Amino acid sequence: NAGVTQTPKFQVLKTGQSMTLQCAQDMNHEYMSWYRQDPGMGLRLIHYSVGAGITDQGEVPNGYNVSRSTTEDFPLRLLSAAPSQTSVYFCASSYSTLHGYTFGSGTRLTVV
Amino acid sequence: GESVGLHLPTLSVQEGDNSIINCAYSNSASDYFIWYKQESGKGPQFIIDIRSNMDKRQGQRVTVLLNKTVKHLSLQIAATQPGDSAVYFCAENIYDMRFGAGTRLTVKP
Repeated sequence: NAGVTQTPKFQVLKTGQSMTLQCAQDMNHEYMSWYRQDPGMGLRLIHYSVGAGITDQGEVPNGYNVSRSTTEDFPLRLLSAAPSQTSVYFCASSYSTLHGYTFGSGTRLTVV
Repeated sequence: GESVGLHLPTLSVQEGDNSIINCAYSNSASDYFIWYKQESGKGPQFIIDIRSNMDKRQGQRVTVLLNKTVKHLSLQIAATQPGDSAVYFCAENIYDMRFGAGTRLTVKP
């Protein structure tokens, strides 16, 4: 049981490049979310999913896309990277809105 | 808009003392609250949760209190240890989970 696995752990992008952050969970959780965490700040919700085929926007969705084709995977796509997207990205999953989330170890992204 | 927030950004306590971390929320529709601990370089870790039909819940060395009248949540850590040093977040959950800014707890030996 690996929990929530995020790849890569570190990434440097040039402005304008695109990339996909991977997130997979093996706990059969229906709920999955992506958060970003900037220095000295809390976590802000980017996108979330309540089940396969269903996604919705969070607080800061601009510049990011998601899809949920399977229960296990919830990739986050950066369409055209900008320096303002430099952050640590966390993926999380849960059984439901009435259960705590299990977080991955994060992806540290730098856009230059 | 409504948000989850914290009263103090930092808290420093002596090893062995009790710690109290506070959180204010403004969304009266929130029905589930969670406290997370985040150590440096790691993802948040679930500590304890409480549902809106409860006032208090206890875990191992931790207690969460919920005051719905004033929309206040607190985390009490008994006999604080150096390993408790971290940033603590409260979060409220309706259709998705929203986090407060966090409080950094430092435990002095």
